[in-house]
Amino acid sequence: ELKVEQNPLFLSMQEGKNYTIYCNYSTTSDRLYWYRQDPGKSLESLFVLLSNGAVKQEGRLMASLDTKARLSTLHITAAVHDLSATYFCAVEGSNYQLIWGAGTKLIIKP
Amino acid sequence: GAGVSQSPRYKVTKRGQDVALRCDPISGHVSLYWYRQALGQGPEFLTYFNYEAQQDKSGLPNDRFSAERPEGSISTLTIQRTEQRDSAMYRCASSSTVNTEAFFGQGTRLTVV
Repeated sequence: ELKVEQNPLFLSMQEGKNYTIYCNYSTTSDRLYWYRQDPGKSLESLFVLLSNGAVKQEGRLMASLDTKARLSTLHITAAVHDLSATYFCAVEGSNYQLIWGAGTKLIIKP
Repeated sequence: GAGVSQSPRYKVTKRGQDVALRCDPISGHVSLYWYRQALGQGPEFLTYFNYEAQQDKSGLPNDRFSAERPEGSISTLTIQRTEQRDSAMYRCASSSTVNTEAFFGQGTRLTVV
């Protein structure tokens, strides 16, 4: 059974700092997604990672995938308040369903 | 349409009543997914369709839950004889095909009293 674990589950940080969110998963998968969710809002796709060593960057966010370690990271560089949200990783299961982590609630203080 | 549309946005129902939640996917999207999200948690897979065919319903909690997509577009998730534990946000997503990026709707907040 595919399980997905994120850590930390909660992160409070100051603007301008760097930090990394980790996503571990238990069985082989071909795809990993990162989503953002603002309070009371829907889920917004950030990145799709398809292969070992994949790295994608958008603004202050960078995601990477190590399929051998079954680990993905979401790195935040020089955080700004607007990045405050809950971030989810989701791993594609054998029947194309997404199995989700519990989410990391990120609060960035101005 | 421009995005995934779900209705109603909010539904309050009495325990024991049946409810039907509707999802209108992005036009042309083949794959449609239903998820349930409890407060403070990640979404939980329920079921998904390719066109009108239900490909996987392994996430449906029990036989009170069912879903259909008869013409390969709009989908309905039905919960019979609702219970308080069914209260959650129900989210629908669609993608152009399987294993491509899924776009989510705003969700239906179901409260069973």
